[in-house]
Amino acid sequence: DTGVSQDPRHKITKRGQNVTFRCDPISEHNRLYWYRQTLGQGPEFLTYFQNEAQLEKSRLLSDRFSAERPKGSFSTLEIQRTEQGDSAMYLCASSSAGGGYNEQYFGPGTRLTVT
Amino acid sequence: TQLLEQSPQFLSIQEGENLTVYCNSSSVFSSLQWYRQEPGEGPVLLVTVVTGGEVKKLKRLTFQFGDARKDSSLHITAAQTGDTGLYLCAGYAGGTSYGKLTFGQGTILTVHP
Repeated sequence: DTGVSQDPRHKITKRGQNVTFRCDPISEHNRLYWYRQTLGQGPEFLTYFQNEAQLEKSRLLSDRFSAERPKGSFSTLEIQRTEQGDSAMYLCASSSAGGGYNEQYFGPGTRLTVT
Repeated sequence: TQLLEQSPQFLSIQEGENLTVYCNSSSVFSSLQWYRQEPGEGPVLLVTVVTGGEVKKLKRLTFQFGDARKDSSLHITAAQTGDTGLYLCAGYAGGTSYGKLTFGQGTILTVHP
């Protein structure tokens, strides 16, 4: 078990460009979450997958954001036409549906800077 | 909307001192998790509390869940410089919340040698 991994760890992009992040959850976990964290704040929920189905999206997730988990394994989060306000740490977490208390294990995050 | 208020936001202490971080809400949670986060890294799960009144210990860290499952506390005894970091509480509401966690804004702890 290698834990949750995320790629890239850091991304610097110019305003208006598209970016895509990848998350590989713990292999036996069927639940996958994306969160966003800005400086000095706790993570905020963005979206949730159970297997390949996207079951919930936060109102924070504008139309420029899209997430996929095509085979119920890894997930991607794409941001189109990035804005400076998108600069944040994007965190992925996974958990097992069998765990009644929903203990989530986080990856190291992708730090996005939009210039 | 469920909110978790953490206090204090900042804590600066000397090595060897004790401290308590509080996490409060007006909402009931099915479980509450505490995480520790280092700069530039993701949160690392420390403990999950699920039963009202539950107390869990992890070496020098003591976690308590309120009787009504609306609040929690983290107490560190004899803090060490290695305890420095951001401490986050996160509540899981259960039911139709689909497993998402609601986080407090965090407590930045600095332990000076």
